Amino acid sequence: DTGVSQDPRHKITKRGQNVTFRCDPISEHNRLYWYRQTLGQGPEFLTYFQNEAQLEKSRLLSDRFSAERPKGSFSTLEIQRTEQGDSAMYLCASSWNRAGELFFGEGSRLTVL
Amino acid sequence: EDQVTQSPEALRLQEGESSSLNCSYTVSGLRGLFWYRQDPGKGPEFLFTLYSAGEEKEKERLKATLTKKESFLHITAPKPEDSATYLCAVPGETSGSRLTFGEGTQLTVNP
Repeated sequence: DTGVSQDPRHKITKRGQNVTFRCDPISEHNRLYWYRQTLGQGPEFLTYFQNEAQLEKSRLLSDRFSAERPKGSFSTLEIQRTEQGDSAMYLCASSWNRAGELFFGEGSRLTVL
Repeated sequence: EDQVTQSPEALRLQEGESSSLNCSYTVSGLRGLFWYRQDPGKGPEFLFTLYSAGEEKEKERLKATLTKKESFLHITAPKPEDSATYLCAVPGETSGSRLTFGEGTQLTVNP
C-alpha cells in the first residue's frame, strides 16, 4: 500500500476560477477527512466521510466548497469561485474507524492570485 | 469552544540536549490526545495516542505523557533528524470525529 495520495500537489489559479483536488485513501480505510492548513497554523477540520456518506461539515466549508466520495473510495474537494483567502494546504487523511489516528497525504497546496 | 495550546512556538536545541514540549487543552471528557510530527511541505505523521491521565507512550527518543489538563512530549538526546513541527490534537467535545489541532511547536536540533 502506498498510503494516502493527493493530486495535484500544487495548484496556482486566478481568483474566481474553480479548482478540484483529488484524494485516494488507504484502500481498507472507511473514513476519509479533509483538513485545511495555513502557514504557522495547525490543520483545521473541513469535512469527513464514512464510506460514501458525508457525515459532518465544518462551518468553514462555505457554499463554494463541495466534497464527494462516490462509491466510498477516492474523494474530491472542489472550490468554486476561488478567493485569495482560500490559499492554503488542503490535507486529506484516512483511517479505519478512528478519529484520531489519521494517515495524512502530503497535501495539495493552493495559491490563489 | 475546544482549545488546544502548544508551547513554546519554536525551540532550538543542540544535538543531545533534552527538552519537553507542552500541549494544554480545555476540552472536558477527554477522548484521547494525539501527537503528530510534520516535516516541511508534508502532511502530519501520527506518533502517539494517550487516553488517560498518567499514561505514557515511547518511541525512540520521544516520550509522551498525559495529565488531566496537559500533555508533554519529552525529547531525550535529540538528533538533527528530529527537527520538525510537533502537533497535538484532541477530538471535539461536540463531535468526536473532528480533531482540534494546536498551532504546533517548531523544533530545530542543531548538530
